[in-house]
Amino acid sequence: QVQLEESGGGVVQPGRSLRLSCAASGFTFSSYAMHWVRQAPGKGLEWVAVISYDENNEYYADSVKGRFTISRDNSKNTLYLQMNSLRAEDTAVYYCARTPAGMRGYVDVWGQGTTVTVSS
Amino acid sequence: QSVLTQPPSASGTPGLRVTISCSGSSSNIGSNAVSWYQQLPGTAPKLLIYSNNHRPSGVPDRFSGSKSGTSASLAISGLQSEDEADYYCAAWDDGLNGAVFGGGTKLTVL
Repeated sequence: QVQLEESGGGVVQPGRSLRLSCAASGFTFSSYAMHWVRQAPGKGLEWVAVISYDENNEYYADSVKGRFTISRDNSKNTLYLQMNSLRAEDTAVYYCARTPAGMRGYVDVWGQGTTVTVSS
Repeated sequence: QSVLTQPPSASGTPGLRVTISCSGSSSNIGSNAVSWYQQLPGTAPKLLIYSNNHRPSGVPDRFSGSKSGTSASLAISGLQSEDEADYYCAAWDDGLNGAVFGGGTKLTVL
C-alpha cells in the first residue's frame, strides 16, 4: 500500500545540521510533488517546503529559507530535508507528505513523522 | 499567528452538527482550493476534505466542506465521540509562494 516513512530525526545542538529522509513505497514516487510539514510540541501544523515531481521547482517557508534544502532522488524513491544552522524553534515532528494535485495542491498521504529536538 | 484563522476550540453533543470556520484572504482561500485535515491525538494528520468540498474515499459523508470568497467551513453532522480531534484548514498562498495552515481547532464531543 501507499506508504511514507521518515527517518533521521534526533537530538542536535543549536547551529548544527541534520538530514531527514523519507522513503516512499506503493506508488510512482517520481510522479508526485512532495512536502515537508512540521509540528512543534503542543502546536499546530506548519508547512516547511515543497519540491516538484521533477526537482525543477522548490518553495520554502520564510522561517527556514536559506537554512533548509528540500531534495529528492527519484531513482531511490526518497525525499530529503537538509537542515542547517538549526535553532531551538526548529524542534518539531517533521512529516513528509504527498500531493497528488501539483505543488500547490492538497496532501493526501502523510508519513508517521520523525522527531527533531534542537537543544544544547 | 497563523495566516488562516480558525477558532481554537469547538464542541458539540453526539448526534448534532458542528461547524468549524477558516478565514483567509484573497491571496490564499480567495484564489486557491481549501483542504481540511483531521489529527487524532498522537497520530499524523489525515486528509478529510480536498478542493473545497470533495471527500476522499473512506471519509464518511458526515463530513462536508464549503467555501465562499475568502472563507471556508467544515461541517460535521451526526457528531460521534471518535470525531474528537484537532482539525486544520490549509490552502496555497500566492503572495507567500507557500502553503499555509490554520492554527487548528480542537473539537470536543461533550
